[in-house]
Amino acid sequence: DGGITQSPKYLFRKEGQNVTLSCEQNLNHDAMYWYRQDPGQGLRLIYYSQIVNDFQKGDIAEGYSVSREKKESFPLTVTSAQKNPTAFYLCASRGLAETDTQYFGPGTRLTVL
Amino acid sequence: RKEVEQDPGPFNVPEGATVAFNCTYSNSASQSFFWYRQDCRKEPKLLMSVYSSGNEDGRFTAQLNRASQYISLLIRDSKLSDSATYLCVVNLGYGNKLVFGAGTILRVKS
Repeated sequence: DGGITQSPKYLFRKEGQNVTLSCEQNLNHDAMYWYRQDPGQGLRLIYYSQIVNDFQKGDIAEGYSVSREKKESFPLTVTSAQKNPTAFYLCASRGLAETDTQYFGPGTRLTVL
Repeated sequence: RKEVEQDPGPFNVPEGATVAFNCTYSNSASQSFFWYRQDCRKEPKLLMSVYSSGNEDGRFTAQLNRASQYISLLIRDSKLSDSATYLCVVNLGYGNKLVFGAGTILRVKS
């Protein structure tokens, strides 16, 4: 089946620990994105990448890092520098044409204890 | 001014009602527009793209007004299963980034 997978679905970490969230897509999309969603709020863009080995900061990149070593994969690391990391993290991908649909993975719910 | 603005609601409507949501965007250069649906604690899913001429998909109709910089979503004959958050999404036309509105909550009640 084609789609975007994120793992794990739920993640618990102690304060001060770095944690890496996985995102894999087999849709052959060039662009991949990471968003954060807090309760009752909209999606905020963390990082995005339009090509392998290149990525750009979104609106709230501080305390996060990413890599894009393969087209299919775009892992997100939540570092200890992120002051309020508990949130719902969504990965997405799409083609590069302006009208292309953006598809989302099922999300990872991170709770920092 | 936010790039994309929506009335957060909630809109509480009875089954069978017609309900409409509007969304305004700030960048007149925006080229493409979408409505997504998000169920509680789930990922957003595309409901429909919005074309300049307006488009319809069953009970759902989307329209674009470039002059006033807003898009709308009309839902006819509301079902209980339509209860969700509806996200207005705009491609600003640069950087290939989509900007998401905060969403409008719809609750359909029997």
